[in-house]
Amino acid sequence: DAGITQSPRHKVTETGTPVTLRCHQTENHRYMYWYRQDPGHGLRLIHYSYGVKDTDKGEVSDGYSVSRSKTEDFLLTLESATSSQTSVYFCAISGGQGDQPQHFGDGTRLSIL
Amino acid sequence: GENVEQHPSTLSVQEGDSAVIKCTYSDSASNYFPWYKQELGKRPQLIIDIRSNVGEKKDQRIAVTLNKTAKHFSLHITETQPEDSAVYFCAACMEYGNKLVFGAGTILRVKS
Repeated sequence: DAGITQSPRHKVTETGTPVTLRCHQTENHRYMYWYRQDPGHGLRLIHYSYGVKDTDKGEVSDGYSVSRSKTEDFLLTLESATSSQTSVYFCAISGGQGDQPQHFGDGTRLSIL
Repeated sequence: GENVEQHPSTLSVQEGDSAVIKCTYSDSASNYFPWYKQELGKRPQLIIDIRSNVGEKKDQRIAVTLNKTAKHFSLHITETQPEDSAVYFCAACMEYGNKLVFGAGTILRVKS
């Protein structure tokens, strides 16, 4: 299995609070991705990174920000969480551009009350 | 941008039968098509992928076929077993793009 660790694995928080999810990899891969998974929508890309300090938006980036200060860590921040952001969040890594296999972490289940 | 449609949304088969899941994509520039299997409460796992320079790829009981002209690709599972029960996702990506676009998923139930 790819060396990907997501933390926390579960979190419950209140509307309006800031939330940060962490993705840590030990594979030294250049590309890292954040997805959210909701019933009926599959996996939707939030943001991705193609190197340290290099990030770009995905399909559903509104309300989210990311940072990557080290190759191994990619952080996803909800500045002011809303109930619509209740979801399961997956991090993925890849050794190359989009036509290379992506491998997923175990996910973070986030509930916003 | 790319759009991927996946059918059916649910599929029930008897153990030992074959299962076929189909996906269509919109962007003719897409050239990488992975399939993921996700068991309940688990992470998506890559089970097979295909690139546009290949029409078919097999790995034991699973195979993927690609029709570039019609812009669709399919996952075939033969001799299904109860452990094949899961949600399956297809996806598409352009060669020099950085974004995988996923289908909505197919729930496969294998009845023993």
